[in-house]
Amino acid sequence: GAVVSQHPSWVICKSGTSVKIECRSLDFQATTMFWYRQFPKQSLMLMATSNEGSKATYEQGVEKDKFLINHASLTLSTLTVTSAHPEDSSFYICSASRQVKETAFGSGTRLTVV
Amino acid sequence: GENVEQHPSTLSVQEGDSAVIKCTYSDSASNYFPWYKQELGKRPQLIIDIRSNVGEKKDQRIAVTLNKTAKHFSLHITETQPEDSAVYFCAAKTAAGNKLTFGGGTRVLVKP
Repeated sequence: GAVVSQHPSWVICKSGTSVKIECRSLDFQATTMFWYRQFPKQSLMLMATSNEGSKATYEQGVEKDKFLINHASLTLSTLTVTSAHPEDSSFYICSASRQVKETAFGSGTRLTVV
Repeated sequence: GENVEQHPSTLSVQEGDSAVIKCTYSDSASNYFPWYKQELGKRPQLIIDIRSNVGEKKDQRIAVTLNKTAKHFSLHITETQPEDSAVYFCAAKTAAGNKLTFGGGTRVLVKP
């Protein structure tokens, strides 16, 4: 089945710094990847759709200048949280689909901003 | 866009009993409905899914039903076991957008 790798699995950073999270499709090419944020005891909320070779599509209410997405190759999408603040602390998960049915999730990144 | 509602938010059952979780969706173009189990700090794991051209699907103790007319689908877990304790999410996807919209989640606790 489709495999998606995500790194790092956890990161602690200081307020005001930036953090980059990587999402890789290991055994297939993904023209589209998705980034979700999940707060404790809540659902996965789609932040943006990452499109290879073009600009990401952001969901309503998500600041594109704060959450920078780059999808420079068919196997790699990155999410950079810029000028992080404590309220950005969350669980970030990426996903990619090889076919309609086959959605693979990364293992998630626990971000803590102190 | 798509909106998925999920109920109940928490569900406590005795081991061996059945658990039922219900979801409704808003976009009639949605055609794929997966269910995920998520343990704390882990990625969602697909446990069963159903396409819009099917009304019911079963895999051992787990079954999913879909009512396209009413735009709702349900997860049924029979003979629950303590290891079934987790958070379960329903989701819906359209063929065009290829993105998943999740329900709010149900925290299931199976008491031994």
